[in-house]
Amino acid sequence: GQQLNQSPQSMFIQEGEDVSMNCTSSSIFNTWLWYKQDPGEGPVLLIALYKAGELTSNGRLTAQFGITRKDSFLNISASIPSDVGIYFCAGRVNNNDMRFGAGTRLTVKP
Amino acid sequence: GAVVSQHPSRVICKSGTSVKIECRSLDFQATTMFWYRQFPKQSLMLMATSNEGSKATYEQGVEKDKFLINHASLTLSTLTVTSAHPEDSSFYICSATERLSYNEQFFGPGTRLTVL
Repeated sequence: GQQLNQSPQSMFIQEGEDVSMNCTSSSIFNTWLWYKQDPGEGPVLLIALYKAGELTSNGRLTAQFGITRKDSFLNISASIPSDVGIYFCAGRVNNNDMRFGAGTRLTVKP
Repeated sequence: GAVVSQHPSRVICKSGTSVKIECRSLDFQATTMFWYRQFPKQSLMLMATSNEGSKATYEQGVEKDKFLINHASLTLSTLTVTSAHPEDSSFYICSATERLSYNEQFFGPGTRLTVL
């Protein structure tokens, strides 16, 4: 099946710093999604991208759907302590086929 | 947004017993429900996809006789782990799609299963 390579695996940053993470694949996806998961909870959808080249923001979060449809990035600006968690990218080919990246574990030091 | 609940949130059982986990869409009718398994510090792995009133489609390597899925209504799907063993201990998460939300998946809070 399609493999998603998400990087970095983990990040340790200072409060106020910007964060960038990305996902790449050898396969083409029709939709890219970014989720955040807190410990012991299910993932929560942050941003969904539906078109190649699309750039979408949600507050301090910005994500882009790569023009080749094989990659996506997520940026978080001016990080705060509550940004701590695991961020997953997900690529979707059709409605019933969504694959997740391995996750980026974010730690924000106050 | 659409809300998905799971019950129980945490269960501990003895080896050999069966455990049922419920997944409900609270404020929408789910066209499709999905079951994932997540081991510690790992990503979500799709186990099966189910549509209301039809048999679930299982991913390769997932035993359908061990992980029984019933999708009896547009708001409820259940996963039964039969004859559970310690290696089945994991975090089980369901999700549901709502047609009106571009078929985005909304996730439940997960169920932590520990098999002793």
